[in-house]
Amino acid sequence: GENVEQHPSTLSVQEGDSAVIKCTYSDSASNYFPWYKQELGKRPQLIIDIRSNVGEKKDQRIAVTLNKTAKHFSLHITETQPEDSAVYFCAASWGRALTFGSGTRLQVQP
Amino acid sequence: AAGVIQSPRHLIKEKRETATLKCYPIPRHDTVYWYQQGPGQDPQFLISFYEKMQSDKGSIPDRFSAQQFSDYHSELNMSSLELGDSALYFCASSPGTVNTEAFFGQGTRLTVV
Repeated sequence: GENVEQHPSTLSVQEGDSAVIKCTYSDSASNYFPWYKQELGKRPQLIIDIRSNVGEKKDQRIAVTLNKTAKHFSLHITETQPEDSAVYFCAASWGRALTFGSGTRLQVQP
Repeated sequence: AAGVIQSPRHLIKEKRETATLKCYPIPRHDTVYWYQQGPGQDPQFLISFYEKMQSDKGSIPDRFSAQQFSDYHSELNMSSLELGDSALYFCASSPGTVNTEAFFGQGTRLTVV
């Protein structure tokens, strides 16, 4: 089955700095890569996703890049704000069920 | 807009009891997923249904079973509960097309004492 590794497990940045979270996946058949933000005790919420026919996607301060050859994808958050503090999960799928990475706890210091 | 509805939001059970969690997907979403998330863990896929048939199976214990009904709502039945079953249980739904966004419900927090 699919295996997704995510790094780092924790990330602390100063407000206004950029944050980068990286994931690798094992199944070359995976073709859908969403990123979820989860605040403590709440549901995961999709913040951006990318499909395998695209190398990069951007939505305001958030961007995701995908390298299918190397089987890795990354989340980039620019101009971080305290409200960006949360746990971020990457995920991969070739079918219907998502396999999640282990999560990155992002702390944005004011 | 309608979201995924889960009930109950909180549930406390004793060891060896049974529990039933319910999920009402977004209207016209015919795929339902169940995930288990332990404290500080990532969501672990349990099982999914497409058009009322089981479509994928993950790390669901034999003590658990699930089904999707004719109105597309789903129930996760958990028997012989163990302390280790204490977790957040999320249901997510998506349209039938493969690889589309999964919308998560608020979750059910199950505590086994």
